[in-house]
Amino acid sequence: EVELVESGGALVQPGESLRLSCAASGFTFGFTFSRFWMSWVRQTPGKGLEWVAKIKPDGNEKYYVDSVKGRFSISRDNAKKSVYLQMNSLRDEDSAVYYCATSSGWYFDDWGQGTQVTVSS
Amino acid sequence: QSALTQPASVSGSPGHSIAISCTGSSSDVGSYNLVSWYQQHPGRGPKLIIYNVSYRPSGISNRFSGSKSGDTATLTISGLQAEDEADYYCGSYTRSGSNWVFGTGTKVTVL
Repeated sequence: EVELVESGGALVQPGESLRLSCAASGFTFGFTFSRFWMSWVRQTPGKGLEWVAKIKPDGNEKYYVDSVKGRFSISRDNAKKSVYLQMNSLRDEDSAVYYCATSSGWYFDDWGQGTQVTVSS
Repeated sequence: QSALTQPASVSGSPGHSIAISCTGSSSDVGSYNLVSWYQQHPGRGPKLIIYNVSYRPSGISNRFSGSKSGDTATLTISGLQAEDEADYYCGSYTRSGSNWVFGTGTKVTVL
């Protein structure tokens, strides 16, 4: 069973930066981490779930929701079975629980337990 | 793009069936069989229960089923159990914006 563990969430002030990490484990034979697209999805009580960013298995293609383009950067290390989200110039509206998730198609197969990011002065 | 529309809450008695709707448009639900459903218990991450409109991942109970008609997808939970009490979200590919949109979420209460 795939397990995803996010870390790095914190309370930060507007304009500051934060780097989230997601460590994956439990992949069965033939379903390795390096075969999956990886995404970050965030959730707020008011706006619900929002897809934030995704990265191709080989790391060569990356996509972002418009509201984070130019501020957030997704990356991955297949050898470490990890995906990262570098968040710069954080805003109040970036406050959310951030989940990482695997994708084998146009859906999210497995999710982590989330990490809380709070942006407040 | 706007979120897909779901009812805020749905309730049902144990053993009964309930249906949760997910309404989009011709840019998403209406044009692509790429609707998925997620179950989320309090304090936990979402869990995939239906993908590509009507397919269940391995290990998901056959009490969960999905369908689609026009711009509306539906998740049906039959034989309702106490453990089904959770929030449910739909999601779909969309040809606009970021190519993905989630639903507004539905809280299911087992009476």
